[in-house]
Amino acid sequence: GAVVSQHPSRVICKSGTSVKIECRSLDFQATTMFWYRQFPKQSLMLMATSNEGSKATYEQGVEKDKFLINHASLTLSTLTVTSAHPEDSSFYICSATFQQGITEAFFGQGTRLTVV
Amino acid sequence: AQTVTQSQPEMSVQEAETVTLSCTYDTSENNYYLFWYKQPPSRQMILVIRQEAYKQQNATENRFSVNFQKAAKSFSLKISDSQLGDTAMYFCAFFTSGTYKYIFGTGTRLKVLA
Repeated sequence: GAVVSQHPSRVICKSGTSVKIECRSLDFQATTMFWYRQFPKQSLMLMATSNEGSKATYEQGVEKDKFLINHASLTLSTLTVTSAHPEDSSFYICSATFQQGITEAFFGQGTRLTVV
Repeated sequence: AQTVTQSQPEMSVQEAETVTLSCTYDTSENNYYLFWYKQPPSRQMILVIRQEAYKQQNATENRFSVNFQKAAKSFSLKISDSQLGDTAMYFCAFFTSGTYKYIFGTGTRLKVLA
């Protein structure tokens, strides 16, 4: 099956700093990648949809200046949490879909972000 | 707006028994896809089964099968011969090309008991 690799799996950062999370499709080209946030024992909340070569589309209530998403190639999307605060601590998950295909989404392993 | 509802926050089942997880959804679209994803303690999301709305036949995947009732907008997951490794959070998800988004339900935490 298709593999999506997300890195790092865990990160701890200080308040006010920025942290970057990478999401890579290893064996397929992903024109669309999705970024989710998951609070403990809750569902996945879609933050934004990114398409290769264009600006990400953010969901209502998600600060695009705080959560910077870049999808520079067909295999890589990044989420940068800028000026992190403790309330940004969460589990972040990316997923990707095949080019021009409506298929199941393939998920990365997730990133546990802790802001101290 | 599309919504996905899972009314069972937690369920448990004895090993080797059968369990059914419920999911209902709401949409005005006619062409869409439905999925069940499993999230074990590792938190890696794993596809369990998918169903295309235009297909009348219920999808099956080994011990996993669905009961897709399009008119009722219901999409339940049946797990037969439950195994300890089935213990996980299960999410029902909806996708349509109209919005190009996956909408997830709130999840059902399933525990398989030895």
